Amino acid sequence: DAGITQSPRHKVTETGTPVTLRCHQTENHRYMYWYRQDPGHGLRLIHYSYGVKDTDKGEVSDGYSVSRSKTEDFLLTLESATSSQTSVYFCAISDELANTGELFFGEGSRLTVL
Amino acid sequence: QQPVQSPQAVILREGEDAVINCSSSKALYSVHWYRQKHGEAPVFLMILLKGGEQKGHDKISASFNEKKQQSSLYLTASQLSYSGTYFCGTLPGYSSASKIIFGSGTRLSIRP
Repeated sequence: DAGITQSPRHKVTETGTPVTLRCHQTENHRYMYWYRQDPGHGLRLIHYSYGVKDTDKGEVSDGYSVSRSKTEDFLLTLESATSSQTSVYFCAISDELANTGELFFGEGSRLTVL
Repeated sequence: QQPVQSPQAVILREGEDAVINCSSSKALYSVHWYRQKHGEAPVFLMILLKGGEQKGHDKISASFNEKKQQSSLYLTASQLSYSGTYFCGTLPGYSSASKIIFGSGTRLSIRP
């Protein structure tokens, strides 16, 4: 199994509070991604990173920011959480050298915004 | 733009076959298939590249029609372990980053 850990795995917070989700990998892969999963929408790409301090937006980036100061860590921040951001968040990594395009997903972080 | 999957849900008896379709309004470079079991992370099944051959492993195979921008996933003689939600994902062009855009999923339930 790919070495990806997400923290926290579960979090309940209130509207307006900041939240940071962490993704940590031990595979030394260049690419890291944050997806959110909601019923009826499947998986939607929020942001991705192609190296340290190199990030770009995905389909649903509004209200989210990311940072990657080390190869192994990719942080997703909700500056001021809203109820619409209640979701399951998945981090993923891909190995650019394998040339398969395969995404390896973490176990997910369930966020509830009250 | 998100690819469209059909059907949204299907219920089978063990041993029956199923086809899940995925279509896009954009030209595609590759189509990716993943399966997610309840409460777990999605797991990669296969990738189909533009100009590539039909893929498959065990009794799960897939095809990619580039002209129609469609892909189909075929599950033959379904087993209980095939239950889960299947997602197709697409990339419009070559990229070393897997910025996959996923469909909304097809829920497959297998009954004994």
